Amino acid sequence: GAVVSQHPSWVICKSGTSVKIECRSLDFQATTMFWYRQFPKQSLMLMATSNEGSKATYEQGVEKDKFLINHASLTLSTLTVTSAHPEDSSFYICSARLRGLYNEQFFGPGTRLTVL
Amino acid sequence: AQSVAQPEDQVNVAEGNPLTVKCTYSVSGNPYLFWYVQYPNRGLQFLLKYITGDNLVKGSYGFEAEFNKSQTSFHLKKPSALVSDSALYFCAVIGAGANNLFFGTGTRLTVIP
Repeated sequence: GAVVSQHPSWVICKSGTSVKIECRSLDFQATTMFWYRQFPKQSLMLMATSNEGSKATYEQGVEKDKFLINHASLTLSTLTVTSAHPEDSSFYICSARLRGLYNEQFFGPGTRLTVL
Repeated sequence: AQSVAQPEDQVNVAEGNPLTVKCTYSVSGNPYLFWYVQYPNRGLQFLLKYITGDNLVKGSYGFEAEFNKSQTSFHLKKPSALVSDSALYFCAVIGAGANNLFFGTGTRLTVIP
């Protein structure tokens, strides 16, 4: 099946620093990638949708200047959390949609961000 | 607007017994329905989906789900639960014209040995 990887899987950083999370579709081309945030014992909240070569579409309430998303190629999307603060600590999950297969989404293993 | 309801936060079942995790949905048009499973500190793993065709959908790890249009439900089932099935289960839907999955709040399944 289609595989989506994320790197790093776990990151701890100091408050005020920026953290970049990579999401890669390993064996397929993803025209669309999604970034989700998941708080403990809660569902996934969609943060933004990114299409290759165009600007990401952010959900209401998500700060685009704080959560920078770049979808540079059909196999790579990055999420940069700028000037991270403790309240940004969360589990971030990316998802990639398989080209040609309507709305099939495959999920990465997630990245746990802890901001001290 | 689209929505998904998973009415049970927690489901406990004895090993070997059948299990059901409930899901109801509300969308405009024909729904595309999915079940995902999440293990601790892991991303979501796809179990099965309903797009069209037979109402009974079979998926990974012996799971199946039945699409019921009149009841707007898509309950996840398995005839005989395993301890290793213990995890968090999410139902998700895409409505007509939508661009992304909308998730339910999740149901934690615990299979008791």
